[in-house]
Amino acid sequence: GQNIDQPTEMTATEGAIVQINCTYQTSGFNGLFWYQQHAGEAPTFLSYNVLDGLEEKGRFSSFLSRSKGYSYLLLKELQMKDSASYLCAVSPTPHDYKLSFGAGTTVTVRA
Amino acid sequence: EPEVTQTPSHQVTQMGQEVILRCVPISNHLYFYWYRQILGQKVEFLVSFYNNEISEKSEIFDDQFSVERPDGSNFTLKIRSTKLEDSAMYFCASSSDSEANYGYTFGSGTRLTVV
Repeated sequence: GQNIDQPTEMTATEGAIVQINCTYQTSGFNGLFWYQQHAGEAPTFLSYNVLDGLEEKGRFSSFLSRSKGYSYLLLKELQMKDSASYLCAVSPTPHDYKLSFGAGTTVTVRA
Repeated sequence: EPEVTQTPSHQVTQMGQEVILRCVPISNHLYFYWYRQILGQKVEFLVSFYNNEISEKSEIFDDQFSVERPDGSNFTLKIRSTKLEDSAMYFCASSSDSEANYGYTFGSGTRLTVV
């Protein structure tokens, strides 16, 4: 089975930084994705890591340590529109790229 | 930017009826997926489809479910004899292994309500 854990909720102030952690234990590993999901909408792609290290993309960065089964998503200069659920997902197999999702972390940005 | 298109956006059906959810994946993608998300719960994998056949399915995807690619562009999920617990958001996705991060893209979803 696939086990992907992330905190349920986080709250932060506008302009601040928030780090969302994700730990995983999966049958295999073919990459880790972070998605943003607003209520009632589809997940939208934020980042992808397959090698260890930090990937930076504007205000969002994602880090991966395969040996520790650990990733984090860093959101900088938080804006009100960043209030959403953030989903950690692992592709466990190299064949068909299905994704196993964590339960998501709801981030609330306060003024 | 290429999109995955799903129709309808919302479907209400009576328990026991059959529904067909439709998806148009990104045209040059080769892998197609259905996921579902029950309200307040995590996104769950249902089935993946490649080369005109199912490549993997989850334990949720029982005989009640079927998928089809009836032509070169559409990808459908059929749910026979719907149950109340089938009420969920159903997402179609497509990907290509020739793109960075596989170009994994989700459609906007179909909200299925079984009454």
